[in-house]
This record gives sequence, C-alpha cells and structure tokens, in this order.
Amino acid sequence: DTGVSQDPRHKITKRGQNVTFRCDPISEHNRLYWYRQTLGQGPEFLTYFQNEAQLEKSRLLSDRFSAERPKGSFSTLEIQRTEQGDSAMYLCASSLPGAEEQYFGPGTRLTVT
Amino acid sequence: AQKITQTQPGMFVQEKEAVTLDCTYDTSDQSYGLFWYKQPSSGEMIFLIYQGSYDEQNATEGRYSLNFQKARKSANLVISASQLGDSAMYFCAMRAGSARQLTFGSGTQLTVLP
Repeated sequence: DTGVSQDPRHKITKRGQNVTFRCDPISEHNRLYWYRQTLGQGPEFLTYFQNEAQLEKSRLLSDRFSAERPKGSFSTLEIQRTEQGDSAMYLCASSLPGAEEQYFGPGTRLTVT
Repeated sequence: AQKITQTQPGMFVQEKEAVTLDCTYDTSDQSYGLFWYKQPSSGEMIFLIYQGSYDEQNATEGRYSLNFQKARKSANLVISASQLGDSAMYFCAMRAGSARQLTFGSGTQLTVLP
C-alpha cells in the first residue's frame, strides 16, 4: 500500500501569484485533512473532507484559500494572491473510516518571495 | 477549545537509555484521543501511538508507550532503549469531542547521543 503523496514537494512563487497543491490519500481512506506547519511549530489544521464533502474549515483559512476533493479521491489546495506569510509546509493526511490515526504525506514546502 | 502543551523544547538521551517526553492537554470534552507523532529532518510526520480517553490501560507500540494520567491531564511518551534513529522532533496531539482534526503541541526535539 503506498502512502499519502503530495505534489509538488517544493514550490517557490512570487507574491501575488496563485499556487495549487495536490494530495493523493491512501487508497480507501475516505477522510482527508490539510494542515499548515511553520518553522518551529506544530501543524495547524486548515480543512477536512469526508469523501467529497468539506466538513470543517479552520478560521485560519482565509478567503484566498480554497480546497476541493471533487470525486472523493485526490484533493487540491489553492492559494490565491499569495503573501509572504503563506510561506510554510502544507501537509496532507488521510484516515480510514472509524480509525483514529491520520497518516501524513511528505508535505509541500511553499516559499513566497 | 483544545490545547496541547509540550514544555521541553529539546531533550538529550544516551543511546540505549529510556527517555520520557512530556505532554499536558486541556479540553472540556469527555471523549478525546491523544496521539504522538515523530517528524525526522526529512519532514514527514510518522504516527507512533494513540490513547483514547476511555482506554483503561496505557497504550504500547513496540519501544513506545504512552503514560496516560487522566487526572493530571498528561500523556507522556516513553521511548525505551533509545536508538540513534530516534533523533527527531516529537509532537503530541489531541482530537476532542466530535471534531476530526488534530490539535498539535509545539514539539520536543530529541537528540540521541552515541
């Protein structure tokens, strides 16, 4: 069984540009989560999907952020009009129905210049 | 609101010795779960161990055990027989009530000395 995969692994963009990240969860994991981690901190929750439904969104998720999971499989996270404060590691995790543990992908490191 | 506190920014342990990483939590929910994750320098978060609030016995997974003291709201991770490969950042996390998302602490950087 392959783990959670994320693409790209690294992204450098200029302030004001839009970026999109992709997450492919572990097969049969119906729950998918996005977190953001800045240097020296623990991950912070952004949003959560069960199948294709987005069930929770953090107040951290400004209007410039949008996430989708159109067919209940992979998910995308888009950041519009990026700001320097968006520089962080964006982590995706998935879990099985009824299971507690979340399995994380390798993350996408975003640098906004 | 849920809160996780990890008061040890850094810890050192000699290879083959045991080490305890501290974690305290705060929640008003009666049903919750506590987790420990390891994050090596490569960046990927690795799930280590889980303890449910209603579990009567402390969770164990190989060399990892979770010392759960409900009255004190603590969920310390014990690593026995430390190995050089255990050097990493360790995060305590909690899921509370009906929420599915995890709340993480600020982490403890563990260094295992040869």
